[in-house]
Amino acid sequence: GESVGLHLPTLSVQEGDNSIINCAYSNSASDYFIWYKQESGKGPQFIIDIRSNMDKRQGQRVTVLLNKTVKHLSLQIAATQPGDSAVYFCAERTGRRALTFGSGTRLQVQP
Amino acid sequence: NAGVTQTPKFQVLKTGQSMTLQCAQDMNHEYMSWYRQDPGMGLRLIHYSVGAGITDQGEVPNGYNVSRSTTEDFPLRLLSAAPSQTSVYFCASSYLPPTGSGANVLTFGAGSRLTVL
Repeated sequence: GESVGLHLPTLSVQEGDNSIINCAYSNSASDYFIWYKQESGKGPQFIIDIRSNMDKRQGQRVTVLLNKTVKHLSLQIAATQPGDSAVYFCAERTGRRALTFGSGTRLQVQP
Repeated sequence: NAGVTQTPKFQVLKTGQSMTLQCAQDMNHEYMSWYRQDPGMGLRLIHYSVGAGITDQGEVPNGYNVSRSTTEDFPLRLLSAAPSQTSVYFCASSYLPPTGSGANVLTFGAGSRLTVL
């Protein structure tokens, strides 16, 4: 399979704990923010998105928080499970077209 | 339901060779794009297309060409491979929502690992 990256910031958590993954974005004109999860050997998969006129959105076990004042996005995963181990990317969209991705954070879940 | 299919999964080239990475989607998505992924640098957009006959450059287009003759296919051509193009390449597609509505949620292929010697 395809390796994701060898020099990513890593967050290590115990199974059952909550995880918080942070992301700083660059463009104040971005209208959507999206979190993707990439497991080893696979392409990224959509987790959750949030519009720029919102500051919080919840999904199943995940919550995304948006702070436009400091251009900061976070992904909170409740009751982290071994299957959550992956690299997580935030992405911002400006206009109708391309997404710009962050460099990613590796989440390691310890049993 | 194949989604986004990329071929080949692995390729080794010599400097100066040319090749084409294939991408096909069966979801009738208007939007298709190519990203490269390098260690510690996330995904960088190479080229994208919002429909057949329409292509545009992304963040790192140099050394790559694309075309979009059909809705389904979006091949990426390396004209003269260089070691700096060693990377994992991802094709992604999505519906293209109207401006101001939902995000275009990308569906990614499994990736193609390219090594240029």
